[in-house]
Amino acid sequence: DVKVTQSSRYLVKRTGEKVFLECVQDMDHENMFWYRQDPGLGLRLIYFSYDVKMKEKGDIPEGYSVSREKKERFSLILESASTNQTSMYLCASSSTLLSSNQPQHFGDGTRLSIL
Amino acid sequence: QKEVEQNSGPLSVPEGAIASLNCTYSDRGSQSFFWYRQYSGKSPELIMFIYSNGDKEDGRFTAQLNKASQYVSLLIRDSQPSDSATYLCAVQSYNTDKLIFGTGTRLQVFP
Repeated sequence: DVKVTQSSRYLVKRTGEKVFLECVQDMDHENMFWYRQDPGLGLRLIYFSYDVKMKEKGDIPEGYSVSREKKERFSLILESASTNQTSMYLCASSSTLLSSNQPQHFGDGTRLSIL
Repeated sequence: QKEVEQNSGPLSVPEGAIASLNCTYSDRGSQSFFWYRQYSGKSPELIMFIYSNGDKEDGRFTAQLNKASQYVSLLIRDSQPSDSATYLCAVQSYNTDKLIFGTGTRLQVFP
């Protein structure tokens, strides 16, 4: 089974802090994704990475950055946390196969509160 | 226009009935379709995927795809209270690894 592990289930930070959310997958997947999920808005893609040190902006990258120094690890960084970044953050990974598209597998999520 | 649309629900069905969840998408280049189940406070869990027109069955679940109508559905037979959750439809276009998610349909199965 695919295992995607997010470092924290719940996190409380203060406005202006630099916040790191970590995600590790154990299936040697090429692709990794960071989403946030808010009521009524669904899942929105923040950033994704298709290889080590490669990243692409998603739909809502403002206020976030990412780092992928190793294939198994993808970090989301809130440069200066703000209250509107209070949300559920979900990490996902998927494989890239030539013959078919592969589903994304999600971690348990991090519920982040910015006070 | 939203790229992937789902009725937010809630869809309420009695235990033992068939629950029918629907999803429409706007990109005609879409080629892979996924259904995820998400319990309250939990992360999405993959339950079905379908690539070809027609039906695909897996236990009590059947996914149906009609590319001409840009429509994908999920049928849950013999619905159980444990099926009560939000069901997310996700669509993947050709030559991309990104998924576009609908906002989900909340299903309630009552005893």
